[in-house]
Amino acid sequence: AQSVTQPDIHITVSEGASLELRCNYSYGATPYLFWYVQSPGQGLQLLLKYFSGDTLVQGIKGFEAEFKRSQSSFNLRKPSVHWSDAAEYFCAVGPYNTDKLIFGTGTRLQVFP
Amino acid sequence: DTAVSQTPKYLVTQMGNDKSIKCEQNLGHDTMYWYKQDSKKFLKIMFSYNNKELIINETVPNRFSPKSPDKAHLNLHINSLELGDSAVYFCASSQAAGTGDNEQFFGPGTRLTVL
Repeated sequence: AQSVTQPDIHITVSEGASLELRCNYSYGATPYLFWYVQSPGQGLQLLLKYFSGDTLVQGIKGFEAEFKRSQSSFNLRKPSVHWSDAAEYFCAVGPYNTDKLIFGTGTRLQVFP
Repeated sequence: DTAVSQTPKYLVTQMGNDKSIKCEQNLGHDTMYWYKQDSKKFLKIMFSYNNKELIINETVPNRFSPKSPDKAHLNLHINSLELGDSAVYFCASSQAAGTGDNEQFFGPGTRLTVL
């Protein structure tokens, strides 16, 4: 069965520090991969997605993610975090031939000034 | 302009009541979804509709009944509400269906509290 694991429930970083949020997936083939961000009290916004091609994808708000097939990972990175990045981050996999997004349990990011 | 909107934003009700949540999208998308986010922030799909036709129907109690009067609207009706139904319900939409590579656009959520 397809699944997504986000090992870090809660991460705290200082403003200006670099960030990496981990995501591992379980799927029999190359899935479609997504990162969403949920600000407090808000809906989810797509940060970036990977379907095929270049394994390093750029997203909005200065985020990027790298697909590593050998590690079944799709980690999200940002070189310098801003206080406004504090939110909940969700990794999701979209199995081929279905629109059923399967979400990880989320990583809560806290940013200290 | 709001892309995916939901009403109400908050809903507080007693156990046993029947309630509805409405969702509308103005993106011209063909597919709409309902997700449930529990108290631990875990998001799980409940239903999806494509052009008013039910496509995905996860293991959801039949007290939950989605209704799509047209492709821009997908409502969720819940009968005989239970404490465990308390959650945030998100509506989403996407361009097409059945390929897995569609970006889904989410509404702001409806926080349902059952007392």
